Amino acid sequence: SQQGEEDPQALSIQEGENATMNCSYKTSINNLQWYRQNSGRGLVHLILIRSNEREKHSGRLRVTLDTSKKSSSLLITASRAADTASYFCAMQGAQKLVFGQGTRLTINP
Amino acid sequence: DGGITQSPKYLFRKEGQNVTLSCEQNLNHDAMYWYRQDPGQGLRLIYYSQIVNDFQKGDIAEGYSVSREKKESFPLTVTSAQKNPTAFYLCASRLGPGGATGELFFGEGSRLTVL
Repeated sequence: SQQGEEDPQALSIQEGENATMNCSYKTSINNLQWYRQNSGRGLVHLILIRSNEREKHSGRLRVTLDTSKKSSSLLITASRAADTASYFCAMQGAQKLVFGQGTRLTINP
Repeated sequence: DGGITQSPKYLFRKEGQNVTLSCEQNLNHDAMYWYRQDPGQGLRLIYYSQIVNDFQKGDIAEGYSVSREKKESFPLTVTSAQKNPTAFYLCASRLGPGGATGELFFGEGSRLTVL
């Protein structure tokens, strides 16, 4: 299994601060994806980073991938109350996309 | 607008009953997926289909069944054999089969509660 682990499980910060979430996995991947889920809703794709990429940006999001350490991080800069949600990493292997357990992020006003 | 529609949003089932969750997409995607999410947990794959009239078991297929008679539709039946069916069910799709490594597009989910 290439199940992923996310760290921390929960994160609470003040509005305007940066939030960093980490994801580790066990086997080789084609790409790694990050998703966001608001409470009781479906997941929304945020960003995809391929195995031959080391860093990718999208707006206030920055994703890094270290294939030697089998880990990735998602950085949200200048957080807003609307960023409050759960964030999931998902590892794409040869056959399947496997999700991590998620990080619950709370942004306090 | 293109997207994935799941229905119903909320469903209650008595023990021993089968229920069917609907998933329809108009994104012209080949691949479709069903995931189960339990409180505070990640997503676990139930079934997936890369092409019409073909589907494969995921990691937790026992007690579930699917069909893929049309490209747009991938209904999930939760049978009475599923011992702990109370959960949030998510349907997703993406380009495939050749492009089935990209981003998933999700529906809004169906919450099933067993009474």
